[in-house]
Amino acid sequence: KAGVTQTPRYLIKTRGQQVTLSCSPISGHRSVSWYQQTPGQGLQFLFEYFSETQRNKGNFPGRFSGRQFSNSRSEMNVSTLELGDSALYLCASSLGSGLETQYFGPGTRLLVL
Amino acid sequence: KNEVEQSPQNLTAQEGEFITINCSYSVGISALHWLQQHPGGGIVSLFMLSSGKKKHGRLIATINIQEKHSSLHITASHPRDSAVYICAPSNTDKLIFGTGTRLQVFP
Repeated sequence: KAGVTQTPRYLIKTRGQQVTLSCSPISGHRSVSWYQQTPGQGLQFLFEYFSETQRNKGNFPGRFSGRQFSNSRSEMNVSTLELGDSALYLCASSLGSGLETQYFGPGTRLLVL
Repeated sequence: KNEVEQSPQNLTAQEGEFITINCSYSVGISALHWLQQHPGGGIVSLFMLSSGKKKHGRLIATINIQEKHSSLHITASHPRDSAVYICAPSNTDKLIFGTGTRLQVFP
């Protein structure tokens, strides 16, 4: 089976712009979770989607949003980018039953100038 | 106080040594994950456990739910084990991450 894929892998944006990141889960996985990793805050949970519905949400401002499509692919969007949004954004997929291994994608490295 | 505490933060070992990384957490959990992150950034899930002990090759993970503590052991460490190891308790699919333990194993 193909692993979790994320596009793009690298991205440079300027403050005030918006960005959309994409995540394709492992075939058959219905849950997609998104995480942000920064040197200062480490790994933090953004949100989780299951069957096109947001099931869990972390403590991030409303500028961070996401969605999931019927084929389980997910996108996350960050509007009005700030310098502090520079980070590695990771997605992970799982079957979605709640007690199982998550499989991580390679991440999208976002730099905001 | 952080919800998840890992120790040590940094660890240096000689090839062949036995390694132990500890994780204590204060939240109620349904399971605990141990993750490995290499310098390129990719994360691999090593274990998910909700009780007892699991073993995979040279890696062993244990958890004590009553004491809210988990350990990751690496037997016969190897330079390719050099990575950051992250403890992540979870409640359903929401993971809470420790700050990680940076392990360097020298030949």
